Amino acid sequence: AQSVTQPDIHITVSEGASLELRCNYSYGATPYLFWYVQSPGQGLQLLLKYFSGDTLVQGIKGFEAEFKRSQSSFNLRKPSVHWSDAAEYFCAVGANRDDKIIFGKGTRLHILP
Amino acid sequence: SQTIHQWPATLVQPVGSPLSLECTVEGTSNPNLYWYRQAAGRGLQLLFYSVGIGQISSEVPQNLSASRPQDRQFILSSKKLLLSDSGFYLCAWDYNLFDGYTFGSGTRLTVV
Repeated sequence: AQSVTQPDIHITVSEGASLELRCNYSYGATPYLFWYVQSPGQGLQLLLKYFSGDTLVQGIKGFEAEFKRSQSSFNLRKPSVHWSDAAEYFCAVGANRDDKIIFGKGTRLHILP
Repeated sequence: SQTIHQWPATLVQPVGSPLSLECTVEGTSNPNLYWYRQAAGRGLQLLFYSVGIGQISSEVPQNLSASRPQDRQFILSSKKLLLSDSGFYLCAWDYNLFDGYTFGSGTRLTVV
């Protein structure tokens, strides 16, 4: 069965610094991959998704993610974070069109002024 | 465009009282519907999902039940709430996996 791991529970970066959130998945074939963001007390919002094609995916709010098959990773990046990026980020994986999405346990991002 | 509505936003209920949370989707037909619970620091737990009217699959045995009386309506219920039912409940929908899930804004349930 597929699984997804987010190794970092908390990440703290300074405003204006670059960001990389790690995500590793376990699945034999190329999965559907997603990153979601959740602000406190809110639902989850889809940042970006990947299934095939260009391995560097652009999303909303200036985020991007890169699919690396050799490393089974789908890390989320942003060149310069803003205080409003403080939130919890979830990586998720789906195996096929008719399956359910499996979510990682999330990484909480803290921004230092 | 499609929208998902979830209510109420917050709810404080005594132990042993019933529960009914409602979720509706607009702008699409025959969506897949999901109920998740998010306890503090514990990620997302899938509770129920539905691929059609009256079709409910339970992921975790517990004090809760779900129903889908109409195509775009998904209801989460309990006959008697427990303290452990406290949490943040999220409804979501999708039409096919590639689009990802669209989530509602959630209901914060506190059982006292």
